[in-house]
Order: sequence, then C-alpha cells, then structure tokens
Amino acid sequence: QVHLQESGPGLVRPSETLSLTCTVSGGAISPYHWGWIRQPPGKGLEWLGYIYYIGSTNYNPSLKSRGIISLDMSKNQFSLNLTSVTAADTGVYYCARYLLTDGFDIWGPGTIVTVSP
Amino acid sequence: QSVLTQPPSVSAAPGQRVTIYCSGSTSTIGKNFVSWYQHLPGRAPRLLIYGNDKRPSGIPDRFSASKSGTSATLAITGLQTGDEADYYCGAWDSNLGAGGPWVFGGGTKLTVL
Repeated sequence: QVHLQESGPGLVRPSETLSLTCTVSGGAISPYHWGWIRQPPGKGLEWLGYIYYIGSTNYNPSLKSRGIISLDMSKNQFSLNLTSVTAADTGVYYCARYLLTDGFDIWGPGTIVTVSP
Repeated sequence: QSVLTQPPSVSAAPGQRVTIYCSGSTSTIGKNFVSWYQHLPGRAPRLLIYGNDKRPSGIPDRFSASKSGTSATLAITGLQTGDEADYYCGAWDSNLGAGGPWVFGGGTKLTVL
C-alpha cells in the first residue's frame, strides 16, 4: 500500500524559500504524476502543481512562477520549492498522487507551514 | 472566489440523505471529469468519487455522484455522525488549454444534526 509523508520546516521567514519534500513508500514514483495541494487557514484546497515521473511539470498560474517541483527517483521523493514567500503562503501543504482525470487518490497527512518574521 | 461553486454548508439528521452541488462551467465540469473529496478535520483528504461517478475500492455505496452539463452532485445516504466533514469537488479547467489548472470547489461543511 502506497503511503506519502510530507516533511519540511514548519516556520519560514517572509521573502525566503519554502522547501518541502514528499516521501513515497510502498510503491514506485513511476509511472505516475505527483502533486502538491495546500489549504490556507479557514480556506479551501488549492492545487499548486504536479510533476510526471519523467520530470515534466505543470503549475498553477496563481503561483506566478514562484514554484518549482522536482523529483529524486533514487530516494522515491519529490519536492516543492516556493520562493519569495509571504504570509499568504501560510497553510497546510499536502502531497498527493495524481491520476489526471481521476483526481488525487492518495494523500499525505499534510504539514503545517507558517510564514512569519 | 473558487472556479467551482459549492454551498458553504449543508445539514441533515442521521440516517437521512443529503446532496451537495458543485457548479462549474463549460471549461471545467462541462469538458472534464469531476472528483469528490472528504476532508475530516486534521486528516488528509480522501478521494470519494472519481471519473464523475466511480467509487474507489473501500468507499461505501452510501456515497454516489453524478454529473449533468456543467454541474455535479454528490449524494450521501444513511448519514452517520462520522460523515461530518468538509466535502470538495474538483476538476481540470481547460480554459487555458491543456495546461489546466486543476481547480477545487470552495468546500461544503456537512453537519449531521
């Protein structure tokens, strides 16, 4: 059974880069897409982007080119880097397996990120 | 404001049936498959429905969904207190072409009275 686990710092300073990693266990990165979704406090879910196992990516235009998703097949991990963060980037960040038209079928438990001085 | 519109809240008594609507557009629900997610507080969201009306293994048949035109509906029968959660619809948005983005509804909080 595939499990996902997010990891990363819980606190990031404004204007710095948020770096999160998702570790995939119980299964392989290939041949799937893997995505990041976040939930700001008191708000709904927001899709951030995904990466295909061959390395191609797609991002939500709302990130305004601040986001980069990468893969490390040797570690069965994929990561999210979000640059120039502001308080608006505070929230719970989830990684998930993305089945294209079939949505997101496996999710990590989420990790709380706070952007604060 | 979300691209997919859901009512902020719905409520019903245990054992009853409740429906949650998700309104989109031609570029979202009209052209693409809809999925539904259950999000319990402090837990990871769970896929309830994919491909408009299909249940993943392990999802009870109390949960069903349908799509018509640019709208979709999630129905839950035999409500249980454990069904209290936020429910989200989601779909690809083809408005900007093949690049998406994926969009979620604003979420509906289900209260089981």
